[in-house]
Amino acid sequence: DADVTQTPRNRITKTGKRIMLECSQTKGHDRMYWYRQDPGLGLRLIYYSFDVKDINKGEISDGYSVSRQAQAKFSLSLESAIPNQTALYFCATSGYSGANVLTFGAGSRLTVL
Amino acid sequence: GQSLEQPSEVTAVEGAIVQINCTYQTSGFYGLSWYQQHDGGAPTFLSYNALDGLEETGRFSSFLSRSDSYGYLLLQELQMKDSASYFCAVRNAGNMLTFGGGTRLMVKP
Repeated sequence: DADVTQTPRNRITKTGKRIMLECSQTKGHDRMYWYRQDPGLGLRLIYYSFDVKDINKGEISDGYSVSRQAQAKFSLSLESAIPNQTALYFCATSGYSGANVLTFGAGSRLTVL
Repeated sequence: GQSLEQPSEVTAVEGAIVQINCTYQTSGFYGLSWYQQHDGGAPTFLSYNALDGLEETGRFSSFLSRSDSYGYLLLQELQMKDSASYFCAVRNAGNMLTFGGGTRLMVKP
């Protein structure tokens, strides 16, 4: 089984719909992240969490929200999806001592029509 | 704020050496990392430099000059499987990683 599992892997939805992307990990890491990838723009940080009671905005948090349900689970929600949120979304984890070493999930490709 | 600059695309032939440069501007610097991403795959960690100098891991090496806000990834004895996108990333005081836009490396026979 993968260390970092994302569901769904692919999702097509319509403008205005609520979408949740889920992430679970078996690494035992405290730190979890949600990144968005668009062609030519690299990976941009949406939200991050350093433990269950800690939630922080990244550089592009508008239009997104997150929930850290447990140490191993971190979900990303789009309350009302819009077409420019069409992108590849990655969840990642890191340990306290290895903050430069992120382990990524396989990604969730979201298309908003 | 933070910004990273790297070339968008590099082409090289199998067996050659290629260098991918990265310049950065950041408020607070706690290391430069490199990640590899094959088409359709997830980014995977390659290397990390916290101090100036060269770090070598097999065919891959990474260099950092903090005074120049500059680093590079050096790939030797290129193989077809090295065709991928390569991202540099900097860690700031908030322990967040900010990524560059990525360099697409194409290795030709």
